[in-house]
Amino acid sequence: NAGVTQTPKFRVLKTGQSMTLLCAQDMNHEYMYWYRQDPGMGLRLIHYSVGEGTTAKGEVPDGYNVSRLKKQNFLLGLESAAPSQTSVYFCASSLSGGSGNTIYFGEGSWLTVV
Amino acid sequence: AQSVTQLDSQVPVFEEAPVELRCNYSSSVSVYLFWYVQYPNQGLQLLLKYLSGSTLVESINGFEAEFNKSQTSFHLRKPSVHISDTAEYFCAVSDIQGAQKLVFGQGTRLTINP
Repeated sequence: NAGVTQTPKFRVLKTGQSMTLLCAQDMNHEYMYWYRQDPGMGLRLIHYSVGEGTTAKGEVPDGYNVSRLKKQNFLLGLESAAPSQTSVYFCASSLSGGSGNTIYFGEGSWLTVV
Repeated sequence: AQSVTQLDSQVPVFEEAPVELRCNYSSSVSVYLFWYVQYPNQGLQLLLKYLSGSTLVESINGFEAEFNKSQTSFHLRKPSVHISDTAEYFCAVSDIQGAQKLVFGQGTRLTINP
């Protein structure tokens, strides 16, 4: 049982390049999330999805786009990378919203923009 | 909107000593409360959570946290720590309704010295 899997794990981008982070979960979860983690700031929500075909903005959505074409996948895109997007990105999923359902996290994707 | 403050960015303790990691939150609505642990180069794992009922919640590895509504706190404690507890600990809250978007504190790095 893989849980939440993120690819790639590491990536170096030049300013202005684009890339997509892929998140896959095998737990049949409805809800999926993308967070970024920066030193001294904890994790901040970028975008989330409450089901296939839906997306919504989180706390820090600027510069990112997402898509949820299939229930098990949640893609995070950077159209024109900036150094401020250097961070560790975590995907997460949960069975549903509310009720305090456990949110499961992937192992992270380290992105450096030079 | 919610916010979470972890009062200590780093906590060094000796092995087998007790430890308390402090967490205070602010919210205009009722929330669920969580503690997550992040071991080096890994994703976050749920340690324990408070949803309702008894204000004292426990984890399987000896940690406990107490919800104090009047002080809006959810401090994490362990009576005797081990080297393996070395990690970063994040306190988080989520609205009891809606998409369960976690709001994290800044994190506390727990270092256990032999």
